[in-house]
Amino acid sequence: GQNIDQPTEMTATEGAIVQINCTYQTSGFNGLFWYQQHAGEAPTFLSYNVLDGLEEKGRFSSFLSRSKGYSYLLLKELQMKDSASYLCAVPANQAGTALIFGKGTTLSVSS
Amino acid sequence: DAGVIQSPRHEVTEMGQEVTLRCKPISGHDYLFWYRQTMMRGLELLIYFNNNVPIDDSGMPEDRFSAKMPNASFSTLKIQPSEPRDSAVYFCASSSRTGFFGELFFGEGSRLTVL
Repeated sequence: GQNIDQPTEMTATEGAIVQINCTYQTSGFNGLFWYQQHAGEAPTFLSYNVLDGLEEKGRFSSFLSRSKGYSYLLLKELQMKDSASYLCAVPANQAGTALIFGKGTTLSVSS
Repeated sequence: DAGVIQSPRHEVTEMGQEVTLRCKPISGHDYLFWYRQTMMRGLELLIYFNNNVPIDDSGMPEDRFSAKMPNASFSTLKIQPSEPRDSAVYFCASSSRTGFFGELFFGEGSRLTVL
């Protein structure tokens, strides 16, 4: 089965850098995903890692270590609009079509 | 292009009543997913379909829950009878699988309150 752990809450200030960690256990592996969810809204896709290493996309980067079952999402130059919940997800099965989500990390950015 | 459309956006009902939630996936997407989100349990996968066929319903909590997808553009999630612990936000999502990865596109969700 799958098990995903993330910190429940984090706080940071505008302009800062924050790292949100995710550890996971999965019977099969076909990628690790990060989704962003603003309060009262639907989750939206942020990033996808299938190989070890860092994937950079603008202010957001995601890192994966498959041997350690570990990933992190790095947010740089934080803005108030980055206040949201960040969900780590892994495939539910070998086919990788459905995702199992962690409970999410609620990030609060203050001025 | 229209995104995933869910209805109703909000539903308040009394315990024991039947609840039907509806979803229209993005045109051309061949996967459809139903998720439930609560503070305590997070975002849980209930069931998903591929080409209108249910693939995995192991996340459906009880026999009170049922889901159908009669055609490629419509799906329903039904709860009968409803109970207060069913109160949650129910999300529908769709995807189009390319290679080994398909981004999930979520609807706005249906917030269900069972009194």
